[in-house]
Amino acid sequence: KAGVTQTPRYLIKTRGQQVTLSCSPISGHRSVSWYQQTPGQGLQFLFEYFSETQRNKGNFPGRFSGRQFSNSRSEMNVSTLELGDSALYLCASSSYGTTSSGNTIYFGEGSWLTVV
Amino acid sequence: GNSVTQMEGPVTLSEEAFLTINCTYTATGYPSLFWYVQYPGEGLQLLLKATKADDKGSNKGFEATYRKETTSFHLEKGSVQVSDSAVYFCAQNTGNQFYFGTGTSLTVIP
Repeated sequence: KAGVTQTPRYLIKTRGQQVTLSCSPISGHRSVSWYQQTPGQGLQFLFEYFSETQRNKGNFPGRFSGRQFSNSRSEMNVSTLELGDSALYLCASSSYGTTSSGNTIYFGEGSWLTVV
Repeated sequence: GNSVTQMEGPVTLSEEAFLTINCTYTATGYPSLFWYVQYPGEGLQLLLKATKADDKGSNKGFEATYRKETTSFHLEKGSVQVSDSAVYFCAQNTGNQFYFGTGTSLTVIP
């Protein structure tokens, strides 16, 4: 069974630009969540989607947005990039709501974003 | 509220030493508890989990016991290897949201 796939793995953007990151969950998983990981702040929750609806949202500014498609694939977008947005962005999927053991999340390799 | 607190790192051990990484949680309900491991340049991988009090999760020689009375889920391994060098995250799941600790970096030296 293929794992969580994130693209691109690495990217460099300039301040003020916007970026879109993509995540394909494990087949059959309908929940996708996004996290930002930085050395200073650790792992911070961005948002979670289930069946195309945002169920939970972390404490990030409106520049951070996401969506989920009918095939459960998800994208997150960051507009007007700032230097502080440089981080590893992790996507995780889960079978929440579809299996009794569905409370485990599985992470992708992450997308490394550098803002210059 | 819901949170996870784990011991600060970094932790440096010699090969074959005993490892303990402490983790405590606060939760409004009855959470499931997890340990994830992150190797350099990679995402987080599930190491082990426990879903109810007194459950013991184990994998690759690591183990942790869900202690409801002390709200703890300490990670242990009897004999660490160089290949165990990584960052370890304790986490809890309440409802459909996860809460992670800040991570503990472990370096094992030969």
